[in-house]
Amino acid sequence: DTAVSQTPKYLVTQMGNDKSIKCEQNLGHDTMYWYKQDSKKFLKIMFSYNNKELIINETVPNRFSPKSPDKAHLNLHINSLELGDSAVYFCASSQDGARVSNEQFFGPGTRLTVL
Amino acid sequence: SQQGEEDPQALSIQEGENATMNCSYKTSINNLQWYRQNSGRGLVHLILIRSNEREKHSGRLRVTLDTSKKSSSLLITASRAADTASYFCATDNGNKLVFGAGTILRVKS
Repeated sequence: DTAVSQTPKYLVTQMGNDKSIKCEQNLGHDTMYWYKQDSKKFLKIMFSYNNKELIINETVPNRFSPKSPDKAHLNLHINSLELGDSAVYFCASSQDGARVSNEQFFGPGTRLTVL
Repeated sequence: SQQGEEDPQALSIQEGENATMNCSYKTSINNLQWYRQNSGRGLVHLILIRSNEREKHSGRLRVTLDTSKKSSSLLITASRAADTASYFCATDNGNKLVFGAGTILRVKS
């Protein structure tokens, strides 16, 4: 059973398009995250939700909009895609991450390529 | 920036040798974590050391933390080809992790 799953695994699209990435965790965790990993492997947090409530929003352009329909799901919608959005996007989850960062479980990543 | 910085950036060793990676950070932390990332995969948590701990072991892994120097080290003993991966330290000072740039470890068989 996959603990944290993401779809799609690969996403190739044209500049200006709108796309979504979905994430689901079956670990019963309270907190979910989106990270962006660039071509130099630098991993940076974008958003964090705790029990469906946004707790971290790290100076991300408002073209990126996360949505958490329930605490097991955290989706990421990106409007008007730009070349610089090309990266690998990772979803992660942890138990009770609202006040302190515990062990995080990562999904397999979604490689987004904007042409 | 609190960002951790790993050293060295890349390390190549023979199977059976020990590998040591270092991490330095800038601000006070609650804990420090080490993660492994195999090529094309997500990160996998290896070990967490709290700010009031100095050393922790898990199998072939040994992590030390020196809060006075704001540094940590990860030692992998008796390395195997399967240990080939990128290793990241991540520091926590609240409700988020800040990751370093990683050390690429290559273990040659």
